[in-house]
Amino acid sequence: AQSVTQPDIHITVSEGASLELRCNYSYGATPYLFWYVQSPGQGLQLLLKYFSGDTLVQGIKGFEAEFKRSQSSFNLRKPSVHWSVAAEYFCAVGGLYGGATNKLIFGTGTLLAVQP
Amino acid sequence: GAVVSQHPSWVICKSGTSVKIECRSLDFQATTMFWYRQFPKQSLMLMATSNEGSKATYEQGVEKDKFLINHASLTLSTLTVTSAHPEDSSFYICSARRLADEQYFGPGTRLTVT
Repeated sequence: AQSVTQPDIHITVSEGASLELRCNYSYGATPYLFWYVQSPGQGLQLLLKYFSGDTLVQGIKGFEAEFKRSQSSFNLRKPSVHWSVAAEYFCAVGGLYGGATNKLIFGTGTLLAVQP
Repeated sequence: GAVVSQHPSWVICKSGTSVKIECRSLDFQATTMFWYRQFPKQSLMLMATSNEGSKATYEQGVEKDKFLINHASLTLSTLTVTSAHPEDSSFYICSARRLADEQYFGPGTRLTVT
């Protein structure tokens, strides 16, 4: 079955500290992996994506993520957080599966709070 | 580029009435559009996928007669919630995809049914 697991529902970090948000997936084919950010009452903004190639991908706003096939993981990292990145973060997986191109499956999200 | 808009951003309607939500790709032609539903503090659940000029494909458990989707052009898809009830209150998000490209998401529409 296709699924995405974000084990941390809520994370609080101090401003300036590093951040890692976890994402594990189950997918029956070559996965395309995404991280999105959603601010309150807003739609989704793409932070970064992995299709193929280098397993360490760089995204916007200083985020990066590493694809580890052996662990079925795609964790999001940021070396130093600013209060402005407090939001909800969603990991998603998609690809060509069952003929449905780019159908995305989302994790349940991680709500990030940043304390001064 | 790749901007997707939704209208309205917030709508309140009475139980039993119908409401239409528009999703537009402003600067590109979208071969495929997707409609998602998001409950408070939960993830996005795909409701249906629509390709321009053809019938939408609904996910299991989504009532196609209740959630009518029309993708009449390469820049516009509409979702009509028919005979809305309070349990239909939710945040509805659309996305649009160019051929062989990623999905671009709209800002969402909050529906409240009283």
